[in-house]
Amino acid sequence: SQQGEEDPQALSIQEGENATMNCSYKTSINNLQWYRQNSGRGLVHLILIRSNEREKHSGRLRVTLDTSKKSSSLLITASRAADTASYFCATDAGGSQGNLIFGKGTKLSVKP
Amino acid sequence: DVKVTQSSRYLVKRTGEKVFLECVQDMDHENMFWYRQDPGLGLRLIYFSYDVKMKEKGDIPEGYSVSREKKERFSLILESASTNQTSMYLCAIRRPGGNQPQHFGDGTRLSIL
Repeated sequence: SQQGEEDPQALSIQEGENATMNCSYKTSINNLQWYRQNSGRGLVHLILIRSNEREKHSGRLRVTLDTSKKSSSLLITASRAADTASYFCATDAGGSQGNLIFGKGTKLSVKP
Repeated sequence: DVKVTQSSRYLVKRTGEKVFLECVQDMDHENMFWYRQDPGLGLRLIYFSYDVKMKEKGDIPEGYSVSREKKERFSLILESASTNQTSMYLCAIRRPGGNQPQHFGDGTRLSIL
């Protein structure tokens, strides 16, 4: 049951530019999380934003959440070639077991 | 640092074989998950466990079983491997309670010939 849907599916930018990825979801959430996956590796947690938060920052990452529109965005500022990866949003509907529902991801390519 | 170790990065098996994928954590987290990841389909949950000897089916449990005899180890079993189970398998762990992230292993790329 796919809940998060990322947009765009693929994004190609030059080093130094900003990258914006969007995520839409369908049902109520407790929080929304963003993950990064380098090619052939596991997912790495980047940032978690709770349903009562609207914006969160972590280094060059900025995440926004609009629960009325059921959408989130991830902004990577001043991108680097090392940011090349796939980025996934995941929604947490709550519950102690912590099941997440992942989107299909945005593949970001940052050209040097 | 959280450490989630999957026993193999790459594995090649034959149709009909019984296949074991192992996941070991060093964080004493109760919750453990098995996903498979396929191009165009994203991550899909196969099984999860929230305690020793406890297991719950995810979205696509058919053809798989799991075992959790010790807290730190969660095994995924393909009872009789088939070619449509060729995939990337990812193990994750999570501390119980609200607003927690999942931590992933590096994955096992399994090919069934």
